[in-house]
Amino acid sequence: NAGVTQTPKFQVLKTGQSMTLQCAQDMNHNSMYWYRQDPGMGLRLIYYSASEGTTDKGEVPNGYNVSRLNKREFSLRLESAAPSQTSVYFCASSDEGIYRGYTFGSGTRLTVV
Amino acid sequence: GENVEQHPSTLSVQEGDSAVIKCTYSDSASNYFPWYKQELGKGPQLIIDIRSNVGEKKDQRIAVTLNKTAKHFSLHITETQPEDSAVYFCAARKTSYDKVIFGPGTSLSVIP
Repeated sequence: NAGVTQTPKFQVLKTGQSMTLQCAQDMNHNSMYWYRQDPGMGLRLIYYSASEGTTDKGEVPNGYNVSRLNKREFSLRLESAAPSQTSVYFCASSDEGIYRGYTFGSGTRLTVV
Repeated sequence: GENVEQHPSTLSVQEGDSAVIKCTYSDSASNYFPWYKQELGKGPQLIIDIRSNVGEKKDQRIAVTLNKTAKHFSLHITETQPEDSAVYFCAARKTSYDKVIFGPGTSLSVIP
């Protein structure tokens, strides 16, 4: 059982560069989420997708875009990376209608220099 | 919207002692409370959860208690071991169609 797979695990970008973080889940979950985690800040929701074809902003969406490519995949794009986007990014998924927690990926550690 | 507070932010205990992490939530409509453990370099992992129709739930050395009237819930870890060292997040959710709202986390260190 792979669960939630994130790629890449590590990335260093220069300011102004763009990149896409990939996330895929194999649990047939409807909902998927992108969080960022900074020291002392806990988990902050960037964007989420309640179902294939829909996306909504979370609490810190500025500087990011997302695509729900299909039910399995949810990508996060940084169009012009800034040092403030240095963080660890986690993707998660969940199955609505059932009281279960989220399943998280192992994270992408992004450094913008 | 829902707000979840968590205390303490850091906790150090001697191996074999108990650890307690406390959370409060603001929305009385919340009725599902999961707890996550995040080990260094890994994503958060669900370790135990409780529904609002249950006051306490145990799983080996961990237990959760819920006081709906006071809007408090707690995680209890007994006979702590070094491998319990991690960041723990409490969370709350109103329905299975709502987003999970996370607390800010507690960093637990178990000293051998």
